[in-house]
Amino acid sequence: DIVLTQSPGTLSLSPGERATLSCRASQTVSSDLAWYQQKPGQAPRLLIYGASSRATGIPDRFSGSGSGTDFTLTISRLEPEDFAVYYCQQYASSPLTFGGGTKVDIK
Amino acid sequence: QVQLVQSGAEVKKPGASVKVSCKASGYTLTSYHMHWVRQAPGQGLEWMGIINPSGGGTSYAQKFQGRVTMTTDTSTSTVYMELSSLRSEDTAVYYCAVVRLVPPYWGQGTLVTVSS
Repeated sequence: DIVLTQSPGTLSLSPGERATLSCRASQTVSSDLAWYQQKPGQAPRLLIYGASSRATGIPDRFSGSGSGTDFTLTISRLEPEDFAVYYCQQYASSPLTFGGGTKVDIK
Repeated sequence: QVQLVQSGAEVKKPGASVKVSCKASGYTLTSYHMHWVRQAPGQGLEWMGIINPSGGGTSYAQKFQGRVTMTTDTSTSTVYMELSSLRSEDTAVYYCAVVRLVPPYWGQGTLVTVSS
């Protein structure tokens, strides 16, 4: 199974700051990587697919980059509604696997 | 547009079974494999298995082998996930997902609560 390792586990930032989240795969997933945002009591919300394509309705302050084994989700300027948990997920092969999540909280 | 609409919340007693449905629309069901993923309260996302709606072939996570069954009804474009011998640890939100669509699509989730 492909293991996804997210770092850091928690990111404490202030509104307006830049957030950089990392996801590393144990073997190549090409560009078959997605990023999800999840808030308490809500379903995961797709942000990025294909490593760098924004999903419909996602603000352009969210961007994804990387391919192969190293990926980054960047939030250029944090808005109050961006404080949440972020997961990466690979769909290059079954089983689907997920990172352990990065919690972005308010400093 | 693509939609995956899941059945409603369930409350079950330990030892019982639950069957969750996922009705697909907006694309051809048999063209894409469907995955099932669950998330227990306060936990991460956990893959349960995959079904090929064209033919019904399945592959299940070892953790659920013997307890999970995924099936398809192509006449109604619906995929089912049945989990048996429920225990309290199976309390979770269950999701269907088609990840090879562009973009990937998920159902809205079905809360299954296992409680005596």
